[in-house]
This record gives sequence, structure tokens and C-alpha cells, in this order.
Amino acid sequence: SSELTQDPAVSVALGQTVRITCQGDSLRKYYANWYQQKPGQAPVLVIFGKNNRPSGIPDRFSGSSSGNTASLTITGAQAKDEADYYCNSRDSSGNHLLFGGGTKVTVL
Amino acid sequence: QVQLVQSGAEVKKPGSSVKVSCKASGGTFSSYAISWVRQAPGQGLEWMGRIIPIFDTTNHAQKFQGRVTITADESTSTAYMELSSLRSEDTAVYYCARESAGEMNYWGQGTLVTVSS
Repeated sequence: SSELTQDPAVSVALGQTVRITCQGDSLRKYYANWYQQKPGQAPVLVIFGKNNRPSGIPDRFSGSSSGNTASLTITGAQAKDEADYYCNSRDSSGNHLLFGGGTKVTVL
Repeated sequence: QVQLVQSGAEVKKPGSSVKVSCKASGGTFSSYAISWVRQAPGQGLEWMGRIIPIFDTTNHAQKFQGRVTITADESTSTAYMELSSLRSEDTAVYYCARESAGEMNYWGQGTLVTVSS
């Protein structure tokens, strides 16, 4: 398969936990990476590989994976976490990359 | 600190070509892939292709086969993406990103390409 599927939007109350999912056949073979994008800005990598955070990314961001589904969890969501989140991974051949359609996270 | 600096905004006519540059500093240019990703207005991210300068190899998304050319000049640590036969649907912000095993940990600031008659 050459697609990664994300829910278009999700909302979370301030301080609560939200999970964003990404589904695709290639995720059975490859980890997903996760990016945060705020309006007018370039994406920022927040999770890569099994569950790794680049320097400077707070530990309220975590990743997990099961079968064909990868998840990004924000534990204790803050207002600054309101953004679009995209997953990406390799396709099943391993030679090309894919992005999910993105999930808009609203913090209430 | 790795930085990717892209060339400025472009306005192009339908049917023409555009070439966007991405100059890297602060890291080892040749050892990583440079991927190109675009984002149409109000839309999501779309991977276009990549180059691995040290091997001078490229991969392209099937959608862009025949229309996109990705090159790199190791002497100036600069990658280029040229898109030909432009149409209005190619209006987008084009990003370069340093990529390793699919993860893109450094991004350029983006280049807006507007295709309009």
C-alpha cells in the first residue's frame, strides 16, 4: 500500500491526553516519524523511530506502534501544542517516503 | 547547528519550469539525503523525492516522474529541485529537508512557488 491515513481533526482539553493515529501497511515494516506544524512555519520533527525525541522536544510527546498503526501521544496537552501533526514513513518498497494527510489538534 | 536556506519566492507561467535551491551549512552535506516536500495552500505535506549526494542517487515519487529533477552540488553544499511543465496545481510552498532513514530533522524555511498566467 502507498498510503498513510490519519484522522483529520481531534480536540483535547487543556492538560489532558490526546492520541493521534496513523495507519498504513508499510507501518508493519517501518516506524513512523511525527512532525508538528504551526501556521506559516516549517514542520518540526517531534518523534522519530521507535520512540525517540529530538533535542528540545518535551517528554510529553511520545510514540508507539502496533501492527499497521502508529500513534503519537501528547500527555498533558498545552495550548502551544495546538497545531497540525503529520506522520511519515517509507512505503512498502522502502525506496520512497509517504506522509499522512495530517491531523489538526485543537486544545480546548 | 545545521541550517538549510532556500531561494526566494517565484512566480511562474503555466508550462514553464522553476528551480529552487537549498544551501546547507553546519553539517556534513554529502552524508545525508536531501528530500523535497511540498505543501499546496491549505493542504498537507507531499514528498516529492530525494537525493543522496555522496552516492549521487535520486528517488522520486511516482507522481512527479518525468517532471522533477533533483541535483546537488557538493562543492557548495547546495541541493536543487527543478519542476517542469508547471500548472496551477503546482502552486505550493516547497521545502527541502535533511533526511536520514525517512526522518527529516532539519527543514528549510520554504519557498513559495506561484503558477499563474
